[in-house]
Amino acid sequence: DAKTTQPTSMDCAEGRAANLPCNHSTISGNEYVYWYRQIHSQGPQYIIHGLKNNETNEMASLIITEDRKSSTLILPHATLRDTAVYYCIVRPRGAAGNKLTFGGGTRVLVKP
Amino acid sequence: ETGVTQTPRHLVMGMTNKKSLKCEQHLGHNAMYWYKQSAKKPLELMFVYNFKEQTENNSVPSRFSPECPNSSHLFLHLHTLQPEDSALYLCASSQDGTSGGVGETQYFGPGTRLLVL
Repeated sequence: DAKTTQPTSMDCAEGRAANLPCNHSTISGNEYVYWYRQIHSQGPQYIIHGLKNNETNEMASLIITEDRKSSTLILPHATLRDTAVYYCIVRPRGAAGNKLTFGGGTRVLVKP
Repeated sequence: ETGVTQTPRHLVMGMTNKKSLKCEQHLGHNAMYWYKQSAKKPLELMFVYNFKEQTENNSVPSRFSPECPNSSHLFLHLHTLQPEDSALYLCASSQDGTSGGVGETQYFGPGTRLLVL
């Protein structure tokens, strides 16, 4: 019952920006958009999250559309180590948000 | 390094064995979680503990028995497992699981890869 839709896979060139889209058209007002990534056989790594406003940290930027029905994760300068599966997750505030629901994610391959 | 450690990293066990997975978090968090990731399947939440109390059991078979003696440690006791239980078992923690906002961000350990023969 994942609430998000992501492309199955995408390639990007090393050193270029990687833009990962996510659709969450049924998102409600109290739900956050979270991004995690999972490098092969490792635990998921938290990247960034947002509610309404665009967010930036040392790893990435998150752009959320005004109607909040979609978002884009931007890796500004992709490196080979960014090759991973990227998960976009919608989660409510409070105890109901304990249950992170992971979908299939986007398999990103960064090429030299 | 996320501040969440898991041991062992790899485990092979027979169906009649009893083993335990251990998770420890060094982040001062109060909520801890067990997830299962089977091959080619999304992560599935198994158990949630808030302040040492179990608050979620996602219909997990009784051959998996969690234990949370304190907010820093979480165990998953395994007995009479089946080959289909072979998977990556992931532990996560968050500052708390009830308040909302940044305190609910979950941080994952590296996982224990379990093979049941």
